[in-house]
Amino acid sequence: QQPVQSPQAVILREGEDAVINCSSSKALYSVHWYRQKHGEAPVFLMILLKGGEQKGHEKISASFNEKKQQSSLYLTASQLSYSGTYFCGTEIAGRGSNYKLTFGKGTLLTVNP
Amino acid sequence: NAGVTQTPKFRILKIGQSMTLQCTQDMNHNYMYWYRQDPGMGLKLIYYSVGAGITDKGEVPNGYNVSRSTTEDFPLRLELAAPSQTSVYFCASSPSTTFYEQYFGPGTRLTVT
Repeated sequence: QQPVQSPQAVILREGEDAVINCSSSKALYSVHWYRQKHGEAPVFLMILLKGGEQKGHEKISASFNEKKQQSSLYLTASQLSYSGTYFCGTEIAGRGSNYKLTFGKGTLLTVNP
Repeated sequence: NAGVTQTPKFRILKIGQSMTLQCTQDMNHNYMYWYRQDPGMGLKLIYYSVGAGITDKGEVPNGYNVSRSTTEDFPLRLELAAPSQTSVYFCASSPSTTFYEQYFGPGTRLTVT
């Protein structure tokens, strides 16, 4: 049930764009995105709900394709502060939200000057 | 607000010993979670709680126990520690709203030798 993230790692120069993908084999109710810097706790970035609602970081965008059970996180004009490991967390569709996430293994993003 | 606090930050246990990881949140969140994070594996849900007195198992509950007597506290108990429980443990909380972003504590790094 663990979602699959791709790529596993990506290296960018400052100002470049990146896309991180998250794919599930199960129908999803929601997808969450978090970023974790080395030695720190994960920090919330985005939530995307089935039906189109979303809440998140003003400088980061994401999409959620319910039919394909996939989500993508778009990082544009990357900054050095974007470096870290990005995790998607998926919530399986059921009768509404069950408030329980399954996280992918993460995508390591490195932004160089 | 302090957010989510965890103690201790680091701990070394001998095989067979027991200990309790403490977690407290001051945001009046109904939902609380315990995760473990092993290198390259993402976050695995151990137990979660939807309110005081209500707990449920996650993906990897074996070897752990929890209780939730108050809204604020959600301690995780390790009985008969084993080397396989060496990991970083994160506690998180979230509001019981449509967008239930999770707020993570700083983590406890546990080594069992």
